[in-house]
Amino acid sequence: GIQVEQSPPDLILQEGANSTLRCNFSDSVNNLQWFHQNPWGQLINLFYIPSGTKQNGRLSATTVATERYSLLYISSSQTTDSGVYFCAVVWAGTALIFGKGTTLSVSS
Amino acid sequence: GAGVSQSPRYKVAKRGQDVALRCDPISGHVSLFWYQQALGQGPEFLTYFQNEAQLDKSGLPSDRFFAERPEGSVSTLKIQRTQQEDSAVYLCASSLDGQTPQHFGDGTRLSIL
Repeated sequence: GIQVEQSPPDLILQEGANSTLRCNFSDSVNNLQWFHQNPWGQLINLFYIPSGTKQNGRLSATTVATERYSLLYISSSQTTDSGVYFCAVVWAGTALIFGKGTTLSVSS
Repeated sequence: GAGVSQSPRYKVAKRGQDVALRCDPISGHVSLFWYQQALGQGPEFLTYFQNEAQLDKSGLPSDRFFAERPEGSVSTLKIQRTQQEDSAVYLCASSLDGQTPQHFGDGTRLSIL
């Protein structure tokens, strides 16, 4: 089956810093989503981005489907950005296949 | 409703008991998914419905797990004769169709004692 690898596994930042999270996948995909799971366990949609670039406030994402990777950029990080960031792809069928996540801790 | 609604939010059961978890998807969403998330892991697919039809149940870990969506809206995930390894967060997601973004509920945290 497809492999979805996220890096880094853990990231510690000071408030105001910028960061880049990466998602590599081993085969062509039909769909890619980025999620933020907050400390209360809620899984929040960030981007639906099978290809191209999107921006939403301090967050942006780029997927290069031909090279099988996606990047999530967080600028001017805030403590509320803390949590786990998941990349998930649809490969065969309709189910999302998740990576193991990047755990982000932002301190003030 | 505005989002995917799951109940109960927390469930504690003794080993061997049966449990039922409910999911109310976003109104008008044809596709409904169940995922299981173990502690420290990403969610893993359990089963998928398109309207009332269960099109994929390849992720259900055993025949103790059963899901239904009889009228194509609300879905119930049932676990019979629960075991400790069933302890996890159970997430429900819905999408307009199978190829559009999936939106998740807040999950049910199941603890088996």
